[in-house]
Amino acid sequence: KAGVTQTPRYLIKTRGQQVTLSCSPISGHRSVSWYQQTPGQGLQFLFEYFSETQRNKGNFPGRFSGRQFSNSRSEMNVSTLELGDSALYLCASSLFVYQETQYFGPGTRLLVL
Amino acid sequence: DAKTTQPTSMDCAEGRAANLPCNHSTISGNEYVYWYRQIHSQGPQYIIHGLKNNETNEMASLIITEDRKSSTLILPHATLRDTAVYYCIAFGNEKLTFGTGTRLTIIP
Repeated sequence: KAGVTQTPRYLIKTRGQQVTLSCSPISGHRSVSWYQQTPGQGLQFLFEYFSETQRNKGNFPGRFSGRQFSNSRSEMNVSTLELGDSALYLCASSLFVYQETQYFGPGTRLLVL
Repeated sequence: DAKTTQPTSMDCAEGRAANLPCNHSTISGNEYVYWYRQIHSQGPQYIIHGLKNNETNEMASLIITEDRKSSTLILPHATLRDTAVYYCIAFGNEKLTFGTGTRLTIIP
């Protein structure tokens, strides 16, 4: 079974731009969670989607948003990029919502200049 | 979720058992103890979880004390590929909360 895939793997943007990251979960998994990882803050939960609805949300500003499609694929969008948004963005999938056993993708490394 | 405390770093000789401790003294009765690891530049990987009883799978063993205030993850025969950051998580509130973890280095 294929694992979680994320595209693109690397991205360079400038301040003020917006970016969209994509995540394809493991086949059959219906929940997708997003995390941000930085050296200073570690791994932080952004949000979780299940059945095309956001079910859970972390403490991030409204510039961070996401959505999930009917095939469970998910996208994450960050608008008006700031230097501090430079991070590894990780996507994880699980069978159902609020599940602690999650399978992570390789991440998208975003650099904001 | 209950707070967990782990040593910042540990070394272990290749081929020996690696024992990674975790303190979760405020864990509540319905919170599971989960372990994940993150090898450099990769996404975290699920290892094992447990509630009260000791658990074993193909990757590791998890020993939870009777009072559930602490646990130990055991990698029975550590290899160089086990070098990673190991996270202990007390899960009970709908989302995984990662701490700073233990950086385990396997020494050849």
